[in-house]
Amino acid sequence: GQQVMQIPQYQHVQEGEDFTTYCNSSTTLSNIQWYKQRPGGHPVFLIQLVKSGEVKKQKRLTFQFGEAKKNSSLHITATQTTDVGTYFCAGHNDMRFGAGTRLTVKP
Amino acid sequence: DVKVTQSSRYLVKRTGEKVFLECVQDMDHENMFWYRQDPGLGLRLIYFSYDVKMKEKGDIPEGYSVSREKKERFSLILESASTNQTSMYLCASTPYRVNQPQHFGDGTRLSIL
Repeated sequence: GQQVMQIPQYQHVQEGEDFTTYCNSSTTLSNIQWYKQRPGGHPVFLIQLVKSGEVKKQKRLTFQFGEAKKNSSLHITATQTTDVGTYFCAGHNDMRFGAGTRLTVKP
Repeated sequence: DVKVTQSSRYLVKRTGEKVFLECVQDMDHENMFWYRQDPGLGLRLIYFSYDVKMKEKGDIPEGYSVSREKKERFSLILESASTNQTSMYLCASTPYRVNQPQHFGDGTRLSIL
């Protein structure tokens, strides 16, 4: 199956700081999905990107899909304690997930 | 709203036992998936199914089998449980249409002693 690499594995930030996680694929993706898993919870769908170069926003979250459709990023502006969790990307070619980035936020 | 229900939240079994993990979805989804989640490794695909009685191996099928006798139910079977199968197991489903998000169950935390 495709390889979807996600970095960093962990990120600890002070509340109010920004946060970015990156997802890279070895192959071109038809689309990419992002999920959030709260501690003790299950992954919950956030958004899907389909078009080359696409940028989508959800309040403080900005999602980007690379021009070559091989990479993607999730950026959170001014993190809050409610952003705590693990963020996963998934290449939709065959639903392989990245290893996730675990975000912790210090109040 | 889509509901994916896993039969057990926590399960403790012994080495060598045959273990069944059950997953039921209520939205008539064609596709169902089993993942295991381990720290630092993310979600790894064990098996998936596109239709009743159909199954495809994922990335780590060794030691597991699956059963899909009815559309709404997808079972994961550990033929002879081993300690390295201690993990969180997550079931998910999607409709057949492309570009649809996965809906996950709450997970089963399985411990093999």
